[in-house]
Amino acid sequence: QSVLTQPPSVSAAPGQKVAISCSGSSSNIGSNFVSWYQQLPGTAPKLLIYENNKRPSGIPDRFSGSKSGTSATLGITGLQTGDEADYYCGTWDTSLSAGVFGGGTKLTVL
Amino acid sequence: EVQLGESGGGLVQPGGSLRLSCAASGFTFDTYGMNWVRQAPGKGLEWVSYITSRSSSIYYADSVKGRFTVSRDNAKNSLYLQMNSLRAEDTAVYHCAREGYGSGRILDYWGQGTLVTVSS
Repeated sequence: QSVLTQPPSVSAAPGQKVAISCSGSSSNIGSNFVSWYQQLPGTAPKLLIYENNKRPSGIPDRFSGSKSGTSATLGITGLQTGDEADYYCGTWDTSLSAGVFGGGTKLTVL
Repeated sequence: EVQLGESGGGLVQPGGSLRLSCAASGFTFDTYGMNWVRQAPGKGLEWVSYITSRSSSIYYADSVKGRFTVSRDNAKNSLYLQMNSLRAEDTAVYHCAREGYGSGRILDYWGQGTLVTVSS
């Protein structure tokens, strides 16, 4: 069982938008920045969002991140079939002195 | 171009040992912290270990503490993971990932991973 909680799956039609939630506690999301990763089938994870809402160079502004209290959200607009992937949130847990990830959310673009 | 390449995976019996390596190139290795992250077949990501740029601080997941040892050789641009007392539940693809500059756990570049299978 993961320290951070994500919905197992979300789906939406091409062109629509979706939000993926990540719930934690005061010792992880509540006191540390959150990152988001995209893992396309058969590939290594890729950094999408860091420090809650910043995008690395090359990541389109269709991807956004936010954080409030002990929860974080990844937003994706203008969905494309190429966005079908697993998405993970991650951060540091101060109490555990360990990195933690969510269980992952599988995005299906119908 | 940042490149990370893992090696050393394979089939090992329960209770056995294995040493993974991660060769880094395309960046100044000795100025970045490094992580190991694993992914069991069909499962999600699990953070395993983090080592700072000069090895001054090291952290482990509880699931591997006392059995795994992370180290690095900055002269060789290499990261290592010594895995002892391996268990079936350690079966996974092991990725090395660079710690990006900033706050929080920012894994900005990942290797493709090396598969470790623990089975008799």
